[in-house]
Amino acid sequence: DVKVTQSSRYLVKRTGEKVFLECVQDMDHENMFWYRQDPGLGLRLIYFSYDVKMKEKGDIPEGYSVSREKKERFSLILESASTNQTSMYLCASRGGTGAIYGYTFGSGTRLTVV
Amino acid sequence: QKEVEQNSGPLSVPEGAIASLNCTYSDRGSQSFFWYRQYSGKSPELIMFIYSNGDKEDGRFTAQLNKASQYVSLLIRDSQPSDSATYLCAVNAGGTSYGKLTFGQGTILTVHP
Repeated sequence: DVKVTQSSRYLVKRTGEKVFLECVQDMDHENMFWYRQDPGLGLRLIYFSYDVKMKEKGDIPEGYSVSREKKERFSLILESASTNQTSMYLCASRGGTGAIYGYTFGSGTRLTVV
Repeated sequence: QKEVEQNSGPLSVPEGAIASLNCTYSDRGSQSFFWYRQYSGKSPELIMFIYSNGDKEDGRFTAQLNKASQYVSLLIRDSQPSDSATYLCAVNAGGTSYGKLTFGQGTILTVHP
């Protein structure tokens, strides 16, 4: 089975801090994604990557950046954390772009910005 | 207009009944459709996908797709309390979308003994 590992389950950071959320997958997948999940808003795509060093903005990229230096690792960066970035962050990996491929999610990082 | 819409529920069914979860989507070019189950405090897990019109069965789960009506559903037969979770519908638009999935907000299902 594909394993997607997020480095932290819970994080508490202060306003203005630079925050790094790490995600690693072990199946050589090309496509990786970062979502945030908020009550009443569902899952919203922040950024995704379809290859090493390649990235695309999702629906809500403001305040975030990403890095993909190696195929297995996709990092989400909060340049200057704000309280409205308190959320559950979910990383996902997808084996291909064909119709049959779904996501495998990591266990999520619940970030609280105080 | 939301791209993927689900009734947020909660949907409450008795144990042993059939639970019916529905999803509509706006992009007529959408190619594949996924159902995820998410337990409280956990991440979503894939339970079904479908890309052809009609029904697809896997154990107690049946996914149904009607592209003309832009409608996809999930039936859970013989519902169990362990099926209580939020069910997310996700749609892949295909083309050059790099496999992005767009999610509905989810339907909360409660199965009571």
